[in-house]
Amino acid sequence: EVQLVESGGGLVQPGGSLRLSCSASGFTISSHWMRWVRQAPGKGPEWVASIKGDGSVTSYVDSVKGRFIISRDNAKNSLYLQLNSLRTEDTAVYYCARDQLETWGQGTLVTVSS
Amino acid sequence: DVVMTQSPLSLPVTLGQPASISCRSSQSLVDSAGDTYMHWFQQRPGQSPRRLIYRVSNRDSGVPDRFSGSGSGTDFTLKISRVEAEDVGVYYCMQGTHWPYTFGQGTKLEIK
Repeated sequence: EVQLVESGGGLVQPGGSLRLSCSASGFTISSHWMRWVRQAPGKGPEWVASIKGDGSVTSYVDSVKGRFIISRDNAKNSLYLQLNSLRTEDTAVYYCARDQLETWGQGTLVTVSS
Repeated sequence: DVVMTQSPLSLPVTLGQPASISCRSSQSLVDSAGDTYMHWFQQRPGQSPRRLIYRVSNRDSGVPDRFSGSGSGTDFTLKISRVEAEDVGVYYCMQGTHWPYTFGQGTKLEIK
C-alpha cells in the first residue's frame, strides 16, 4: 500500500525554524516527483515546493523562496522541508504528496505564533 | 500565476439529485505535449484532500462512477450524477500544467 507519513510540525515563534519529514512506503520516491502542499486554517490548499526524483530540480512558490528548502534522501525513502525565517502566515497543515497529488499524507500542523 | 475560478462556492443539494461544479482557468491548461493537467479533489471534513479525477476526465482508483469530469482548454466541469451523504465536503480543482500549480477556491457541497 502506498503511504506517506509526515512529522516534525509544532509551535514555533516568528523567525524560527522547523524541519518537516515525510516517510514514504509502498513505492520508491526516487522514481517520482515529490511535493509539499500546505493548507492554512479554513483555506484551500497551496503548492509550496517540488523536487524531481533524482533531486536535480527544485521549484518553490514565490512566498517561500529563499526561506524554505526541499530535499530528499532516496536511501531513506524520505522527503524533507526545511522551514526558516517563519512568519505567522506560514501557519498551516503541511502535506507531502506524490507526482500530481494522487497520494497525500495525513499532514503535520505548523503553528507560527509568539 | 494561473488563476482557477470555481463556481458555485456553495452547493446545497438534495440527496439523490445531481450536482455540477465549474472551474475556469485564466489560461489554457494544455501543455506542449498536448496533455491537460487539470484535476479534481474532494476534502471531507477533518480529512486530507483526496484526488477524484485526474487529467480532466479519468477517475482515480476507488472513486465511484457517479463522479465524472469533462472539459478542455480553460473550462472544466465536475459532475456527480446522484449525490450521496458521503459526498459532503469541499471540492477543489487544480492545474498541474504551469508552475506554480494552483487550486481553485473550493466549492462546499452540503445536503439540503
